[in-house]
Amino acid sequence: NAGVTQTPKFQVLKTGQSMTLQCAQDMNHEYMSWYRQDPGMGLRLIHYSVGAGITDQGEVPNGYNVSRSTTEDFPLRLLSAAPSQTSVYFCASSYSGLGGGNYGYTFGSGTRLTVV
Amino acid sequence: DAKTTQPNSMESNEEEPVHLPCNHSTISGTDYIHWYRQLPSQGPEYVIHGLTSNVNNRMASLAIAEDRKSSTLILHRATLRDAAVYYCILRGPYGGSQGNLIFGKGTKLSVKP
Repeated sequence: NAGVTQTPKFQVLKTGQSMTLQCAQDMNHEYMSWYRQDPGMGLRLIHYSVGAGITDQGEVPNGYNVSRSTTEDFPLRLLSAAPSQTSVYFCASSYSGLGGGNYGYTFGSGTRLTVV
Repeated sequence: DAKTTQPNSMESNEEEPVHLPCNHSTISGTDYIHWYRQLPSQGPEYVIHGLTSNVNNRMASLAIAEDRKSSTLILHRATLRDAAVYYCILRGPYGGSQGNLIFGKGTKLSVKP
């Protein structure tokens, strides 16, 4: 049982480049989310999904796109990287449904992104 | 979104119990109280959650006030490995945005040997 797997672990981009951060979970969780964490700060929600084919914006969605074609995968796309997107990115997943509040989230180990 | 209030930091001695408080005066009747922790340079880790009754697991205990406006995470015997930022978060029971975790600044716990 691998849990939530994020790739890559580290990435350096040049301003204007695009890339995709990968997130996969093997727990059949409906909920999946992307967060960013800047130095010394808490996590901020970028985008989330409550199931395959359904995505929505979180607190800080600008500059990022997501899609959810399968239950397992939830990639995060940076369209045109900017230095302000230098951060650590975490993916998380959880069960959903009417009892959703009664389930905890599982987090990946993060992707450390630097935009120069 | 419902909010929580936690102290910015707390200190504890190794092998002593730690009580981490959280206030959530605007909690709704269907919000679950979740606790997560984040060790240095790691992703957040689920600790415990509850609705109304006190809860215990291998990591910690959660004591919930009768009016549900506050809760306390209890680490029974702190170790150096428990030094982390602890987040108290309310999670709604249904699908959609209420099911998201919205993080505050949490409580930074330091454990002294």
